[in-house]
Amino acid sequence: DVKVTQSSRYLVKRTGEKVFLECVQDMDHENMFWYRQDPGLGLRLIYFSYDVKMKEKGDIPEGYSVSREKKERFSLILESASTNQTSMYLCASSLIAGLLAKNIQYFGAGTRLSVL
Amino acid sequence: EDQVTQSPEALRLQEGESSSLNCSYTVSGLRGLFWYRQDPGKGPEFLFTLYSAGEEKEKERLKATLTKKESFLHITAPKPEDSATYLCAVQAKSSNSGYALNFGKGTSLLVTP
Repeated sequence: DVKVTQSSRYLVKRTGEKVFLECVQDMDHENMFWYRQDPGLGLRLIYFSYDVKMKEKGDIPEGYSVSREKKERFSLILESASTNQTSMYLCASSLIAGLLAKNIQYFGAGTRLSVL
Repeated sequence: EDQVTQSPEALRLQEGESSSLNCSYTVSGLRGLFWYRQDPGKGPEFLFTLYSAGEEKEKERLKATLTKKESFLHITAPKPEDSATYLCAVQAKSSNSGYALNFGKGTSLLVTP
């Protein structure tokens, strides 16, 4: 079974802090994604990566950055946390871009971040 | 712009009362349509992928169908453990976000005994 592990289930941070959210997948997937999920807005893509050291902006990248130094690990960084970044953050991975049958995204359990 | 609309927002069913959830989409070119189940406080769990109009997939009490404009998730004789939020997502051929998914806002299903 595919396993996507997010390092924390719950985090509480102060405004202005630098926050790291970590995600690890154990299935050698090429693609990794970060989404945030908010009531009434659904899941929105923040960033994605299709290879080590490669990253692309999603729909709402402002205030975030990412790092992918190893294939299995994708980190989301909040450079200076703000209250409007309080949300559920979901990491996902998928096998290979372009092959329909391999494009299923598998999600982690999520990190609920509160910024006070 | 690609859009995914799910209806109803919330649905309450009696155990055994069959129904359908709707996912309407507009995309420039559909690469795939995905159904996920999400339990409270957890990440989405993959259910089905559909790639072309007319395709159907089944899993236990769930059956997903696809037309050129919408997908239905049919729930036959639901049980309380089917209670969850069901998410629909599309993957567009022309997406600028690589192979990311464009999600609907979900249908929250409650099945009562």
